[in-house]
Parts: sequence; C-alpha cells; structure tokens
Amino acid sequence: AQSVTQLDSQVPVFEEAPVELRCNYSSSVSVYLFWYVQYPNQGLQLLLKYLSGSTLVKGINGFEAEFNKSQTSFHLRKPSVHISDTAEYFCAVSEGAGNNRKLIWGLGTSLAVNP
Amino acid sequence: GAGVSQTPSNKVTEKGKYVELRCDPISGHTALYWYRQSLGQGPEFLIYFQGTGAADDSGLPNDRFFAVRPEGSVSTLKIQRTERGDSAVYLCASSLAGGPDTQYFGPGTRLTVL
Repeated sequence: AQSVTQLDSQVPVFEEAPVELRCNYSSSVSVYLFWYVQYPNQGLQLLLKYLSGSTLVKGINGFEAEFNKSQTSFHLRKPSVHISDTAEYFCAVSEGAGNNRKLIWGLGTSLAVNP
Repeated sequence: GAGVSQTPSNKVTEKGKYVELRCDPISGHTALYWYRQSLGQGPEFLIYFQGTGAADDSGLPNDRFFAVRPEGSVSTLKIQRTERGDSAVYLCASSLAGGPDTQYFGPGTRLTVL
C-alpha cells in the first residue's frame, strides 16, 4: 500500500520569502501525485497535479512542484509567499487501478506566513 | 457551476444513535468518493462509487458504516450505533469519470458523537 510523508508539520515563513513544502511517497510504480490546499474554514482545493510528462508542474497561485522519481519526492515550492497563502497543505498520491484512483494523504503541513 | 455540497454542515449526536450524511456531487460526475478527516490528520479514504455501484469499499472501518448512491448522483453515508471515535469531518469528492480526473471536494460534514 502507498504511503505519503510530509516531512514538516509546520512551516513558519515571512511574507515575500520563498518556501518549500516537502513530500515523499512510498511507491516505486507509476503514480499520480497531487497537492491540495485547505484554507481556514474552507474545503480542499487542488493546487496542482502530476500525471505524466514534464516533471515540473505549475499550479494555481504561483505554486509549482517537481516530481523526482529517483527520490520518490514531490516537493511544493513558491518563490515569494503572501499572507493569504497561510493554510494547510496536503500532499496525496493516487492508489488503485483503472478508474478507481482513491487518494492516499499525508498528514499535512501548516504554512504560516507572517508579515 | 455548483460545486459539491454536503449536508448537514454540522451534526451532533449521542453515542449509539444512527446518522446519515448526504453528498450532492457536481452534475455529470460519475465518480464519487467519501473520505474521513480526523483532527490533525490527512483525509482517509472510505469508499468509492462509479455510477450507482460501490467499486471499492475497502476503507470502511467496520460494518457500522454503509453508503449508497441509488441513482448515480446523490450519495448518503450511513453510520449505525455511532461511537465517540466516529467523530471527524466527513468529506465527499466527485470527479468526472474517476481515474486521474481531479477530485473536487465538498466543505465536509463535521460529526460529533457525545
């Protein structure tokens, strides 16, 4: 079974600084990888996903992630964060076959952007 | 268009009672997923529907949990004889056809079992 490890439970950062949120997954077989964001009192929203092709994936709100197969990692980055990026970020990997692609989730990383 | 909706947004019940949680997916989405998120945790898969059928119920924790999707649209998650450990946020997601399609999440139902 797949597992996802988010290496940092909390990441404090100052506004306009760069940030990297780390994610490692367990499987060595072909996977789909996702980053979701959960703003306070809101539902989960997709930031970006990797299905195949280019290993650098660009998402919404200036975020990007790089798929590294050899290191089984999918780290999320943003060159300059805003106060509004304060949220919980979840990395997920799909598991299953055919149309059944349930998501296996990490524990989340709480990003706190301070002025 | 309308997103995924879930009702109720909050449900407080007593230990031993029966509860039903409803999910209205995005119109036209054939795939529907239920997840459960406990405090400080990531979501945990419960069950996956493709159309009307439960294609994967391997995440249901025990036989007190059951879900249906009789017409291939609205789904109801049913919990019998609730326990305090069932307290969590129950999330529903839908996608166009399953597979790698993006899963769109509802706001969740917060279940509290006293």
